Amino acid sequence: EAQVTQNPRYLITVTGKKLTVTCSQNMNHEYMSWYRQDPGLGLRQIYYSMNVEVTDKGDVPEGYKVSRKEKRNFPLILESPSPNQTSLYFCASSSGGSSGNTIYFGEGSWLTVV
Amino acid sequence: RKEVEQDPGPFNVPEGATVAFNCTYSNSASQSFFWYRQDCRKEPKLLMSVYSSGNEDGRFTAQLNRASQYISLLIRDSKLSDSATYLCVVNERNRDDKIIFGKGTRLHILP
Repeated sequence: EAQVTQNPRYLITVTGKKLTVTCSQNMNHEYMSWYRQDPGLGLRQIYYSMNVEVTDKGDVPEGYKVSRKEKRNFPLILESPSPNQTSLYFCASSSGGSSGNTIYFGEGSWLTVV
Repeated sequence: RKEVEQDPGPFNVPEGATVAFNCTYSNSASQSFFWYRQDCRKEPKLLMSVYSSGNEDGRFTAQLNRASQYISLLIRDSKLSDSATYLCVVNERNRDDKIIFGKGTRLHILP
């Protein structure tokens, strides 16, 4: 079954404690991306990757890091989480650099930073 | 002008009615257009692509108006299960395949 898997699904953490949200896709997609979704602000792109070892900033990259060492994995790293990073996070993937192709989303990760 | 704009709603519509909403986009060079559906606390899922000639899938019809730079979604004979947020998605080919999501239109189908 084609899917994007992200973990953890729910996490409460404290300010400053580094955390990683993993994302893995089994569709051999080149394009992967991270979004955060906040009430009234819609989906905002954090980082995206067009292929292995290629990553680019999205609209709201501050406070986040990513890596793309393998095609299937695209982890999101919060080196020093702050309360304003409390949000719902989605990982997504698509084939062919995303142009005109279906975007598949993970089920989302609810992150609370206290 | 925002890149992709949608009326946030909510649209409260009785079951069985027809409902339509639009999405406007600012970049005339945009290439691909989609409607995604998002249920509360769930991930967005593709509802349908929007083609230049318009397309229909059962009770759903999507249309593109390039001259006025908007896409539309029409839902006929609405069901309770249609209650969701509908996201307009625009792919700008001339900016590294930038994908832009609208903030969504909330639809409530009333029994």
